[in-house]
Amino acid sequence: DIQMTQSPSSLSASVGDRVTITCRASQSIISYLNWYQQKPGKAPKLLIYAASSLQSGVPSRFSGSGSGTDFTLTISSLQPEDFATYYCQQSFSIHQWTFGQGTKVVIK
Amino acid sequence: EVQLVESGGALVQPGGSLRLSCAASGFTFTDSAMSWVRQAPGKGLEWVSTISGSGGGTYYADSVKGRFTISRDNSKNTLYLQMNSLRAEDTAVYYCASTVAGTGYFDCWGQGTLVTVSS
Repeated sequence: DIQMTQSPSSLSASVGDRVTITCRASQSIISYLNWYQQKPGKAPKLLIYAASSLQSGVPSRFSGSGSGTDFTLTISSLQPEDFATYYCQQSFSIHQWTFGQGTKVVIK
Repeated sequence: EVQLVESGGALVQPGGSLRLSCAASGFTFTDSAMSWVRQAPGKGLEWVSTISGSGGGTYYADSVKGRFTISRDNSKNTLYLQMNSLRAEDTAVYYCASTVAGTGYFDCWGQGTLVTVSS
């Protein structure tokens, strides 16, 4: 299985901060990388697919980049509603999809 | 509006069985592959199983292969997960999610249903 490793596991930030979360794959996944946001007690929500494509309805302060094994999710100006846990997911390995362990973004 | 509503979660004893359902609305059900993704309490997300739009293709994580069966009834716009030989480690919230064919990402999710395996 392809292992996905996110860093950091948690971070504290203030409203207005620029936040970057990293996701590393154990082998090249080209651009088959997706990002989700999950708030406590809620289902995950798709933010970014194919490494850099913004899902419809997602604010433009969210962006994704990277290819191969290294990827980043950036929130350009953190908003109060962005405090949540973020997961990356690889969709390269057909029908053996795996997620990162998550990055929790908390209020500083 | 796309809606996915799971049901069927319960407390079940180890070795027992359970069937989860997911009722879909707001999109053309047959056009979408569907998946189950689970989340153990306080843990991350784990893909469980996917079924193609026609139901002709089914795929499973190694952790559930041979114990779980995914199916769908396209006449009822409903997805199912039959879970047999349940173990304590199957305890989780189970989400159904529409899955964009050929891409492997989950674009819409239900609210989840809790399965607890305990004696």
